[in-house]
Amino acid sequence: DAGVTQSPTHLIKTRGQQVTLRCSPKSGHDTVSWYQQALGQGPQFIFQYYEEEERQRGNFPDRFSGHQFPNYSSELNVNALLLGDSALYLCASSGDRGFQETQYFGPGTRLLVL
Amino acid sequence: RKEVEQDPGPFNVPEGATVAFNCTYSNSASQSFFWYRQDCRKEPKLLMSVYSSGNEDGRFTAQLNRASQYISLLIRDSKLSDSATYLCVVIPPSSKVTFGIGTKLQVIP
Repeated sequence: DAGVTQSPTHLIKTRGQQVTLRCSPKSGHDTVSWYQQALGQGPQFIFQYYEEEERQRGNFPDRFSGHQFPNYSSELNVNALLLGDSALYLCASSGDRGFQETQYFGPGTRLLVL
Repeated sequence: RKEVEQDPGPFNVPEGATVAFNCTYSNSASQSFFWYRQDCRKEPKLLMSVYSSGNEDGRFTAQLNRASQYISLLIRDSKLSDSATYLCVVIPPSSKVTFGIGTKLQVIP
């Protein structure tokens, strides 16, 4: 049973560029959440997708956008990258009770913005 | 006041010791609470949910104190393998998951 997978594992970009991160949820899960974890901090909730719609959103600017596909996989897009966007980006999947279900995290994508 | 507060530590404890972490939250209407464990450069993994009645899983005990708005995690008979960062998670009525900064535990031989 495959767990949550994310790609790529590492990424280096320069300021102003755009990036797309990908996530495949755990088998049987239909809800995907994205988090940003800066060094020495806890994960910060970006948004959650369910049934291809953004269901909840944290305090992140519109530069952060996402998408969920019919197969429940998801993408996180960040435009106009800033140095402060350097972080570990985590994807978590869960069942349709959303946050009331246990969330399973993927290994993350480490993004470095130069 | 932060929504969720944790002492970042580090807590350095000898093997076999008992150690406890607290996590305070600001929204009294919060309903769901969890403890996650995160190893260095790895993803967080669920350690245990926290129920009003308290719950225990082997050497780990989690408790919720609604009156004082905090959750706790107690680890008995610490092992070297318990060394990690322990993240508390609070889900307020808005359902926007909020993680604490995490408490770093280092178990020393």
